[in-house]
Amino acid sequence: GESVGLHLPTLSVQEGDNSIINCAYSNSASDYFIWYKQESGKGPQFIIDIRSNMDKRQGQRVTVLLNKTVKHLSLQIAATQPGDSAVYFCAEKAAGNKLTFGGGTRVLVKP
Amino acid sequence: EPEVTQTPSHQVTQMGQEVILRCVPISNHLYFYWYRQILGQKVEFLVSFYNNEISEKSEIFDDQFSVERPDGSNFTLKIRSTKLEDSAMYFCASKGADNSYEQYFGPGTRLTVT
Repeated sequence: GESVGLHLPTLSVQEGDNSIINCAYSNSASDYFIWYKQESGKGPQFIIDIRSNMDKRQGQRVTVLLNKTVKHLSLQIAATQPGDSAVYFCAEKAAGNKLTFGGGTRVLVKP
Repeated sequence: EPEVTQTPSHQVTQMGQEVILRCVPISNHLYFYWYRQILGQKVEFLVSFYNNEISEKSEIFDDQFSVERPDGSNFTLKIRSTKLEDSAMYFCASKGADNSYEQYFGPGTRLTVT
């Protein structure tokens, strides 16, 4: 079956540096993508989303890039802070409303 | 800011027992979901619910599972006869208007089946 996957299980980054989290997806029918942040003991928290008719979207300190040619999604976090330490999931939506999640990347911010 | 709430935060049950996990979605939302996350694994879709009926379900959501919106605020997930492999975090989510795909997740219920 088609699925969403992540390349790096753990990313260590120095406080103040930029973080880049990558995600590969295989369902070419997906029309919406979303990044969630999950802190320990909490549910997924929305970060940013992007529709398939866009290739870039910016939020506060975060940017999502979508490359449909290679089916790749990335999340860039500018000036990473200790509060950014968490597990980050990408998710995709094809037909219907269900989200298909990737495996997650843990981001550890070093002071 | 409105949020999705879930109770209990942790449920321990014996194999074969029935459990009901409860969720209060955001009040003006129309679409409701259950997901689960086995420890160390990805979040998996279970079921979506709209207009008082199931709109989509995964292969995980077999006859042992059921969902209900018993009143105007609660959304429940029932597991009739729990198995060891049902141990997981269960997340409720809700979504508002049709033109928005953003799902808001609750804090989850940790289910431990012994």
